[in-house]
Amino acid sequence: SSELTQDPAVSVALGQTVRITCQGDSLRSYYASWYQQKPGQAPVLVIYAKNSRPSGIPDRFSGSSSGNTASLTITGAQAEDEAVYYCNSRDSSGNHLGVFGTGTKVTVL
Amino acid sequence: EVQLVQSGAEVKKPGATVKISCKVSEYTFTDYYMHWVQQTPGEGLEWMGLVDPADGETIYAEKFQGRVTITADTSTDTAYMELSSLRSEDTAMYYCAVQDPSNDAFDIWGQGTMVTVSS
Repeated sequence: SSELTQDPAVSVALGQTVRITCQGDSLRSYYASWYQQKPGQAPVLVIYAKNSRPSGIPDRFSGSSSGNTASLTITGAQAEDEAVYYCNSRDSSGNHLGVFGTGTKVTVL
Repeated sequence: EVQLVQSGAEVKKPGATVKISCKVSEYTFTDYYMHWVQQTPGEGLEWMGLVDPADGETIYAEKFQGRVTITADTSTDTAYMELSSLRSEDTAMYYCAVQDPSNDAFDIWGQGTMVTVSS
């Protein structure tokens, strides 16, 4: 198996930009996907294949990757973006999407 | 619109078995992998395993191997997750989620099923 490490919490002023990172060896070989989870709700996919957005996800969400680090950037954060964000990728064997990051709580001030 | 609708909350005693369902609609059941994810209260997400409904092949996380069984019924477009030998630490929300095999991502999630293990 593998591990994906995220900072526990970050804050951002309304309308400003915040970047959330996810580190792990598997990210050198596989893309990360990103999920937004608000209290009492199921996670929602916001970024996949490094920087693709599902239908309905605002274009203020973007993804990037370099080496063993994947990043999710929210450009012009809105109050509704306050949530926990999880990254996910394949395990070290590449057999399945079995590894989630530890999660980052984003607070919009 | 693709939908995953899970069965309702469960309360079980330690040592019991729980079986949760996830019914899909508005897509071809056999075109997507079905995954199950555990989230203990206040904690993060933990992958449990997956089934390929096209052929029934499964992969399980090492943590749950031996206690979890994931199946897919193509006659009713429903996936199931059965967890046995329940203990208090299994008290959690359980989600099903589908993956388009061409994407490395959980595209759509069910609403979650809360399982409480208590004597």
